[in-house]
Amino acid sequence: NAGVTQTPKFRILKIGQSMTLQCTQDMNHNYMYWYRQDPGMGLKLIYYSVGAGITDKGEVPNGYNVSRSTTEDFPLRLELAAPSQTSVYFCASSYDGYRTQHFGDGTRLSIL
Amino acid sequence: QKEVEQNSGPLSVPEGAIASLNCTYSDRGSQSFFWYRQYSGKSPELIMFIYSNGDKEDGRFTAQLNKASQYVSLLIRDSQPSDSATYLCAVNNSGNQFYFGTGTSLTVIP
Repeated sequence: NAGVTQTPKFRILKIGQSMTLQCTQDMNHNYMYWYRQDPGMGLKLIYYSVGAGITDKGEVPNGYNVSRSTTEDFPLRLELAAPSQTSVYFCASSYDGYRTQHFGDGTRLSIL
Repeated sequence: QKEVEQNSGPLSVPEGAIASLNCTYSDRGSQSFFWYRQYSGKSPELIMFIYSNGDKEDGRFTAQLNKASQYVSLLIRDSQPSDSATYLCAVNNSGNQFYFGTGTSLTVIP
């Protein structure tokens, strides 16, 4: 019963590098979300998806891109990494976008 | 104005006491309300959800919702040291998005 799986758990990037954070869910949920959480803060929505092929911006989308080619996968792409993107990233899924969200364990990303 | 506001604390209560956590939200169209617990370095885990005005009880936890006042709270009875964590309030608006408060840090003193 995996739920929401995120990889990698930790990563250090240099300024200007790019990378993809992976997120997979096995609950057949239509809705998926990417959040970032800065120290001592709540979660800020980066992007979300209501189904395969459909994505939309959240509160803080700048510097990020997403795609949703399958129901299971929702990768987050960072292009030209900047120190301001140092954060913990959480992926979540929800059955209908209204009820409970299920979270992955997070990816701790540092950009130096 | 922030979508969801919480008192950041820290809130300290003695073991066995009642902890009261509060949250206000700005979007009157919000439909569902959640309390998550987050231990340091971990992901949020759902404690309670509530959709209708009034109280909802689950074990030692009670969520209270007042849509007219745009207010949702969480009471933790018989607080235990293991309840020490950050509690996040989340609100779902009518547009499939969830908005989170900054969290309230709770410490239960043995």
